[in-house]
Amino acid sequence: RKEVEQDPGPFNVPEGATVAFNCTYSNSASQSFFWYRQDCRKEPKLLMSVYSSGNEDGRFTAQLNRASQYISLLIRDSKLSDSATYLCAVIRDDKIIFGKGTRLHILP
Amino acid sequence: ETGVTQSPTHLIKTRGQQVTLRCSSQSGHNTVSWYQQALGQGPQFIFQYYREEENGRGNFPPRFSGLQFPNYSSELNVNALELDDSALYLCASSRQTGGFYGYTFGSGTRLTVV
Repeated sequence: RKEVEQDPGPFNVPEGATVAFNCTYSNSASQSFFWYRQDCRKEPKLLMSVYSSGNEDGRFTAQLNRASQYISLLIRDSKLSDSATYLCAVIRDDKIIFGKGTRLHILP
Repeated sequence: ETGVTQSPTHLIKTRGQQVTLRCSSQSGHNTVSWYQQALGQGPQFIFQYYREEENGRGNFPPRFSGLQFPNYSSELNVNALELDDSALYLCASSRQTGGFYGYTFGSGTRLTVV
């Protein structure tokens, strides 16, 4: 079993819709949690950190559930420019462990 | 402040050859991590360097080796290249270990082994 698991998708979502991704992690020693965005053939870029209390950045909301060991990302009012791969990441033993990523296609 | 720069951007090598990839960390960052990202996969941790010492290694064979220099730039060396080594190699730097300060990624080196 992979340490960080995500549904690879693709998620095909009409523009303006709300879409949610989940990610599960298996190692309870994981310390910090993040969502990264990766465009095709580009490097990952930090989208947002994830906290137990939940955090919001504009149309994006992230949530951490330590008891169930999952992380979620919600995108509201999706835009065409949101099309990308979203990577879930955890920090354990000073290194980032990534999931395989979830591909999102926003349809006009 | 300059970001993380990697060179070269693209590279084609023949099976069995050796390759060296380079990374200049962001100003003020003393920790460098290397990742391998195969097509359709997430980045996989290769190793991390902190103040010129290896500070953690992923599940990669010894033919993957690295260095960090006093200016905190870094090299990734891969010997005896195999076809499966074809991937995007990413370098990320941070101010300290622990990840709490955030990692900045370079744009990667795309290696093709033929």
